[in-house]
Amino acid sequence: EDQVTQSPEALRLQEGESSSLNCSYTVSGLRGLFWYRQDPGKGPEFLFTLYSAGEEKEKERLKATLTKKESFLHITAPKPEDSATYLCAVQALQGGSEKLVFGKGTKLTVNP
Amino acid sequence: EPEVTQTPSHQVTQMGQEVILRCVPISNHLYFYWYRQILGQKVEFLVSFYNNEISEKSEIFDDQFSVERPDGSNFTLKIRSTKLEDSAMYFCASSDLGEGGYTFGSGTRLTVV
Repeated sequence: EDQVTQSPEALRLQEGESSSLNCSYTVSGLRGLFWYRQDPGKGPEFLFTLYSAGEEKEKERLKATLTKKESFLHITAPKPEDSATYLCAVQALQGGSEKLVFGKGTKLTVNP
Repeated sequence: EPEVTQTPSHQVTQMGQEVILRCVPISNHLYFYWYRQILGQKVEFLVSFYNNEISEKSEIFDDQFSVERPDGSNFTLKIRSTKLEDSAMYFCASSDLGEGGYTFGSGTRLTVV
């Protein structure tokens, strides 16, 4: 069964204090790994898709990396507006499945 | 920027009643999905829909649930005989299976009382 585990569950940072969020996954062949941002009461907002080990993508203060077993979301010099829950999801290659399997997320709070 | 629109944003219904949740996917997307998120839990896949038929469904998506694309723009999720445990946020998503991933709507919060 495909599984996604995110850590930590919650993270508090001071503004400007860089850190990383972890997403460990078990999947029967990875088609894609997705990072989303979710604000309270809202739907997930797409950030990145990673397809193969060694791939990296960046957007503003965020950088996502991928290995064969995990992905990291690095946040450089975060600002209070980066506070949100960050979700990781995987899509399996097997059977042509399109479904995303999500982790529980990491709730990030950035204090000014 | 194109977005997925869901209505209503909040629906309260009596146990045993039927509800229809509505979604307008992004116009050039061909793949449509419903997910749900029970408070404090993971986002869970319910169903995917392509070419006017269900392409995949989860164990959650039993005979109580149905989906329909009644016209060229709307995509609906019908829940028959609602139960208390159906209370959740329901998210519609659409995709062109390209680099942009899946675009989610803001959700409908369903409360069954």
